[in-house]
Amino acid sequence: GAVVSQHPSRVICKSGTSVKIECRSLDFQATTMFWYRQFPKQSLMLMATSNEGSKATYEQGVEKDKFLINHASLTLSTLTVTSAHPEDSSFYICRAASSYEQYFGPGTRLTVT
Amino acid sequence: AQKITQTQPGMFVQEKEAVTLDCTYDTSDPSYGLFWYKQPSSGEMIFLIYQGSYDQQNATEGRYSLNFQKARKSANLVISASQLGDSAMYFCAMREDQNFNKFYFGSGTKLNVKP
Repeated sequence: GAVVSQHPSRVICKSGTSVKIECRSLDFQATTMFWYRQFPKQSLMLMATSNEGSKATYEQGVEKDKFLINHASLTLSTLTVTSAHPEDSSFYICRAASSYEQYFGPGTRLTVT
Repeated sequence: AQKITQTQPGMFVQEKEAVTLDCTYDTSDPSYGLFWYKQPSSGEMIFLIYQGSYDQQNATEGRYSLNFQKARKSANLVISASQLGDSAMYFCAMREDQNFNKFYFGSGTKLNVKP
């Protein structure tokens, strides 16, 4: 079965609204969560890294006030896209990691209309 | 410099034939790991194979093998007996032990298997 889940798998929202994406590690404790976005036919671009109980570290060029990341427990991290715009439409994928293992979530396809 | 380079944006292969997807890497860390992932149109990242920098033998997993040439810093993926279901994007990735959880991804290769 899946080791890391993401919810929702697909979401369509209107411009200006906020969307929350959940990433859950099901069978292990994820001390670190990574959030990526991927545009069509491109590679994964790391947005931010979060350690459980700490503030996320954002990559250069990623707006931390727009992409809010919370990693409150060893099994759950959330990415909230605030005031979404059409250019935020993308595939968002998390990766959960411990000292010994790491797994990708199945991804969330966000469409902002 | 790019940490991971995949020079083939797209590849075609005939069903049942073997295909090699190229990957070169750049690191000064003596201890690192190399990964290959398959990403079908659904978007999920499917782990295929892993090679550690100190592994003496090339990694193999079923129809997948990794041609690891350390001196050349290359880690090519070989898929034998291609199947139609192998059509997907393939990403090479590297992890350096000095920053254990951070991955560097290549730009990917789109593989199309022809019937």
